[in-house]
Amino acid sequence: EIVLTQSPDFQSVTPKEKVTITCRASQPIYNKLHWYQQKPDQSPKLLIKYASQSLPGVPSRFSGSGYGTDFTLTINSLEAEDAATYYCHQSSLLPLTFGGGTKVEIK
Amino acid sequence: QVQFQQWGAGLLKPSETLSLTCAVYGGSFSGYYWSWIRQPPGKGLEWIGEISHGGSTNYNPSLKSRVTISVDTSKNQFSLRLNSMTAADTAIYYCARRPDGFDPWGQGTLVTVSS
Repeated sequence: EIVLTQSPDFQSVTPKEKVTITCRASQPIYNKLHWYQQKPDQSPKLLIKYASQSLPGVPSRFSGSGYGTDFTLTINSLEAEDAATYYCHQSSLLPLTFGGGTKVEIK
Repeated sequence: QVQFQQWGAGLLKPSETLSLTCAVYGGSFSGYYWSWIRQPPGKGLEWIGEISHGGSTNYNPSLKSRVTISVDTSKNQFSLRLNSMTAADTAIYYCARRPDGFDPWGQGTLVTVSS
């Protein structure tokens, strides 16, 4: 099973700051890494697919990068509505797995 | 735009069987994997398993002995059965479509296991 390790677990950030969340895979997964945003009491929402591909309707301040084992989700100029928990997920190998999540709080 | 409606019992006793169904509206049912994912209260996400339009299944080995996912293509629905439920299975259960990542997700069903 591929283990995805996210860091940090928690981040408290001021609006307009830049946020960087990392996800490290226990073995290479090519670019088969996807990012989700989950706001309180809501279902997760796909933000970025295949490491760096944006989804329609997702604000351009969200971007992803990485390949192999190391991946990054970046939120440029954080807004209050970005308070959420962010998860990475790999689809390279079954069983499909998720990272433990990174909670982003607005200061 | 694909949307889901999911339903099933929300309160179970230990040893009972969970049964949830997810109906798919507004999009093609073929060409995708249809997944179940769960999230214990306040915790992270766990993939349970998935089924294709043609009925091919993949399960998480951690749950494989207790899980059955089935599909009814005539109704554009897929279902989850998880037997021998315990308190550790208390979670929000989501259905989701997987072409690449999971997108979209159902609204989730809170399932509580308690005597």
